[in-house]
Amino acid sequence: NAGVTQTPKFRVLKTGQSMTLLCAQDMNHEYMYWYRQDPGMGLRLIHYSVGEGTTAKGEVPDGYNVSRLKKQNFLLGLESAAPSQTSVYFCASSLWRGGDEQYFGPGTRLTVT
Amino acid sequence: EDKVVQSPLSLVVHEGDTVTLNCSYEVTNFRSLLWYKQEKKAPTFLFMLTSSGIEKKSGRLSSILDKKELFSILNITATQTGDSAVYLCAVGGLAGNMLTFGGGTRLMVKP
Repeated sequence: NAGVTQTPKFRVLKTGQSMTLLCAQDMNHEYMYWYRQDPGMGLRLIHYSVGEGTTAKGEVPDGYNVSRLKKQNFLLGLESAAPSQTSVYFCASSLWRGGDEQYFGPGTRLTVT
Repeated sequence: EDKVVQSPLSLVVHEGDTVTLNCSYEVTNFRSLLWYKQEKKAPTFLFMLTSSGIEKKSGRLSSILDKKELFSILNITATQTGDSAVYLCAVGGLAGNMLTFGGGTRLMVKP
C-alpha cells in the first residue's frame, strides 16, 4: 500500500517551458487536491477534484490546469512556467469531503529559472 | 472567506519544556479542525477535532477545541528534539470541499 505518490520529486524548468506533475493514490479516495507551499506561507490550494472527471479551482489556480481522468490519478499542468511558480507542490487525497483527514504525498520541488 | 491564523510563528525551546501552539479561525459552518506535523517532507496527521471541550491525546501531544471562542491549542509536554517541525492547523466547513490551512508554527527543540 503506497498511499499517495508524486512524480517527479525534483524538477528545474526554464521560464516558458511546460510540465505535468503526476499524483497517484491507491486508497480509493474520492477527493484529491493540489497545494503549493512557499516559505512561511503554509499550504495554499491550487485545484481540487471531488471525483473522477471533475475539477474545481482553489485559492491560487492561475497558471495551472488539472485533469482527473481516472479516480486514482490527478495531474497538475503548468503550460508556461514562470519564476513565481517556484515552490514545493504537494498532492493530497481524502476519502470524502474536505473536512476529513487528508493524506499527503512526499512533494515535488520545482524551480523555474 | 475562511481564515486560519497560527501563533507564534516560531518557537525555540529546550528538551523537557512544555509548549502550547495556538490556532484561531474563521470559517463558515465549521465542521472540523485538524492538526498536522510537517518535518522535512509531507505533513502527517495528528488530530481532528469536531467538538468543543473534548481533549484528544496521543502520547505527549494533546489538543482541544473551543468552538465558542473559535480557537484550538496543541500542547506538547516534555519536548524532545524529534518534536522539531512545523505544526500546521487547518479547518474545514460543512459546505466546502477543502481545508484552509494556517501559516504554521515552526518549533525548534534544542538538546
